[in-house]
Amino acid sequence: KAGVTQTPRYLIKTRGQQVTLSCSPISGHRSVSWYQQTPGQGLQFLFEYFSETQRNKGNFPGRFSGRQFSNSRSEMNVSTLELGDSALYLCASSLFVETGNNEQFFGPGTRLTVL
Amino acid sequence: SQQGEEDPQALSIQEGENATMNCSYKTSINNLQWYRQNSGRGLVHLILIRSNEREKHSGRLRVTLDTSKKSSSLLITASRAADTASYFCATVVYNQGGKLIFGQGTELSVKP
Repeated sequence: KAGVTQTPRYLIKTRGQQVTLSCSPISGHRSVSWYQQTPGQGLQFLFEYFSETQRNKGNFPGRFSGRQFSNSRSEMNVSTLELGDSALYLCASSLFVETGNNEQFFGPGTRLTVL
Repeated sequence: SQQGEEDPQALSIQEGENATMNCSYKTSINNLQWYRQNSGRGLVHLILIRSNEREKHSGRLRVTLDTSKKSSSLLITASRAADTASYFCATVVYNQGGKLIFGQGTELSVKP
């Protein structure tokens, strides 16, 4: 089975621009979550989607948004980029979320640099 | 804000030695999971322990959970150079789906 794929792997943007990151979960997985990893704040939860519905949202400004499609693929968007948005963005998929008692499979991440 | 803390922040050992990492958290949990990350790449799931479990083994890994102390430990026995990585504990809280709340991580270096 193919793992979680994320595109692009690397991205360089300038302040004020917007960016869209894509995540394809493992086949059959219906839950997708996004995390931001920075040296200062560590790993922080952004959102969680299940069956095209946002089930959970982290404490990030409205500039961060996401969606999930009917094939479970997910995208996240960051508008009006700031220098502090430079980070590794990780996507994770799992079979379901109801109990939370299942492992999550992470993609390789998208390294975003904002200049 | 992060759920808890891990210690030590960094650990350097020789191949063949055991490595122990500790994790503390703040709120009641559904389960606790450990992940490994190599050099800023994706996270790899190592083990999941439910709140009603006290100990779990997987190969050279042993995880314990003490819900009364809100703490967990990860033991890697007979470490190898390939175990060099950052290790994170992550908690799942009841009624928050699969949302993982991560600790700051322990950077493990295993010298050959």
